[in-house]
Amino acid sequence: GQQLNQSPQSMFIQEGEDVSMNCTSSSIFNTWLWYKQEPGEGPVLLIALYKAGELTSNGRLTAQFGITRKDSFLNISASIPSDVGIYFCAGHPTPDSNYQLIWGAGTKLIIKP
Amino acid sequence: DTAVSQTPKYLVTQMGNDKSIKCEQNLGHDTMYWYKQDSKKFLKIMFSYNNKELIINETVPNRFSPKSPDKAHLNLHINSLELGDSAVYFCASSQGMSLEYFGPGTRLTVT
Repeated sequence: GQQLNQSPQSMFIQEGEDVSMNCTSSSIFNTWLWYKQEPGEGPVLLIALYKAGELTSNGRLTAQFGITRKDSFLNISASIPSDVGIYFCAGHPTPDSNYQLIWGAGTKLIIKP
Repeated sequence: DTAVSQTPKYLVTQMGNDKSIKCEQNLGHDTMYWYKQDSKKFLKIMFSYNNKELIINETVPNRFSPKSPDKAHLNLHINSLELGDSAVYFCASSQGMSLEYFGPGTRLTVT
């Protein structure tokens, strides 16, 4: 089925660095959602975006809904060890009438010791 | 006060067996889902129910059968388990098409 292009696949960063990841689609999306999954847990919603151009923050996290409605990015500022995990983007394509989210493959964030 | 709960957390069983995973949400949501996450962490939707009615039924083997006795519960029954069924299965819920809240997952290992 349809899948979002999420990059990078993984990131090795130093504590304190800023992180940026993004998702792109070949078609227009109605909503963009960003999730974080920690080992042994289910994904947890971080940020939800509903309008083109929308920029939303959640603590050190900032996400934007691209103007073209075909992309979104997530930034994490001043990373800390508890930021490690897999970050997923997801979205509802438009027109959407079947409650189905389309998912990216995830970005694995690893903090270098 | 867990929002979405699943049982069991771990399930180890042999090929050919039949098993069930249960899911309950106390959020009052009207839509529930089953997702499969493989070893590469790809999340794939399997089923979705809205007010006990099946609305998404992705291409999964018919050995998998969801059952929603009421709006708060969505169970997954798997017949004749195969090695390839080993994965983590997540239940999720949402209110309409908005957000999705995930359960903690059930790690199924078929030997």
